[in-house]
Amino acid sequence: AQSVAQPEDQVNVAEGNPLTVKCTYSVSGNPYLFWYVQYPNRGLQFLLKYITGDNLVKGSYGFEAEFNKSQTSFHLKKPSALVSDSALYFCAVRDSPGAGKSTFGDGTTLTVKP
Amino acid sequence: NAGVTQTPKFQVLKTGQSMTLQCAQDMNHNSMYWYRQDPGMGLRLIYYSASEGTTDKGEVPNGYNVSRLNKREFSLRLESAAPSQTSVYFCASSEVIAGGGTQYFGPGTRLTVL
Repeated sequence: AQSVAQPEDQVNVAEGNPLTVKCTYSVSGNPYLFWYVQYPNRGLQFLLKYITGDNLVKGSYGFEAEFNKSQTSFHLKKPSALVSDSALYFCAVRDSPGAGKSTFGDGTTLTVKP
Repeated sequence: NAGVTQTPKFQVLKTGQSMTLQCAQDMNHNSMYWYRQDPGMGLRLIYYSASEGTTDKGEVPNGYNVSRLNKREFSLRLESAAPSQTSVYFCASSEVIAGGGTQYFGPGTRLTVL
């Protein structure tokens, strides 16, 4: 079985400050990890993924995420937040790249204030 | 390249009525998924189709049926709608192997059952 936890329902940061959205996972075997973003009244959009290789993954809109195997975490980060980053963020995990299903966290609402 | 399209965008049903939600993708993906999104509950998988000709139940399949019509199209049917099925429904398709399972989402269908 696989699972994802996003421990914070809400994260608030000031514009220009660094942001972190937390994610921990559980999976048997090697994890395939994803971050998605959802803007109001829209579908989810892919931000970045970790499959293998460097633990620091860079994605769209200046976001990055750090894979930490020992802590089973995959936190999303950005050095300088923008008001336009305000959205709902989902972490997801799967145990293979092939045909199968991903498990999503419950989501974290990020609010960036001017 | 339209990506993943869903119809309709909005629908209001009365309890007991039936309807089919349509989904199509033009990215030549093998796998397709139906999710529902409810406030505070993240995304829950209803059904998925790993490849043309196969379908499997997800977390919350009761009250739903699916048809993988061909590689492009994956429909979700509510035979007898209930108020508990009021939700936003998202269809997704995914790359396998090289893409690591990245999912691409449609814009969603907002369904209200009275």
